[in-house]
Amino acid sequence: EDQVTQSPEALRLQEGESSSLNCSYTVSGLRGLFWYRQDPGKGPEFLFTLYSAGEEKEKERLKATLTKKESFLHITAPKPEDSATYLCAVLQAGTALIFGKGTTLSVSS
Amino acid sequence: EPEVTQTPSHQVTQMGQEVILRCVPISNHLYFYWYRQILGQKVEFLVSFYNNEISEKSEIFDDQFSVERPDGSNFTLKIRSTKLEDSAMYFCASSEEGRQTQYFGPGTRLLVL
Repeated sequence: EDQVTQSPEALRLQEGESSSLNCSYTVSGLRGLFWYRQDPGKGPEFLFTLYSAGEEKEKERLKATLTKKESFLHITAPKPEDSATYLCAVLQAGTALIFGKGTTLSVSS
Repeated sequence: EPEVTQTPSHQVTQMGQEVILRCVPISNHLYFYWYRQILGQKVEFLVSFYNNEISEKSEIFDDQFSVERPDGSNFTLKIRSTKLEDSAMYFCASSEEGRQTQYFGPGTRLLVL
């Protein structure tokens, strides 16, 4: 059973069409939840760290929120350059990040 | 802005050969990590390293793998006898002491033939 589940697997949006990506997790004792952006053939690029339920972080068109069981990455008025795979990862005990499979976002103009 | 660098960007090797993947973590970071991503799959943790020793390793990180910090700036992953299934992107990451956020490098694409 996956500990981190992201949905949807793929999302196609028109430029300016806002939406949300979901990351649900089943780990106990969450020490942090992380959002990364990954472009094809590249390494994960850090976006946000969330530590506790109710926390929110924003950066440009992106906003990440956290509850006790899931996190959302809200994308407001996306642009084509926001097209990428968005990865969610959690830190439970130890040092190992546990990643989800990601949501591949395509934004067309 | 400081970033993690990795060399080489691509490596092709024959099955059974040894490979060494190199990483230069962000300069003031003290925790170092290796992850891998098989094409089309999740990013998977291999090993973490702190204070010149392994902190944690996954089931993937068997006796074929080893890590080393040969000097003050480099961090290496060695695969002793590569297998076809070792073909993947290998990512190095680093983090500051007391901070949970891990910053990733651009990766090395390893192809084992």
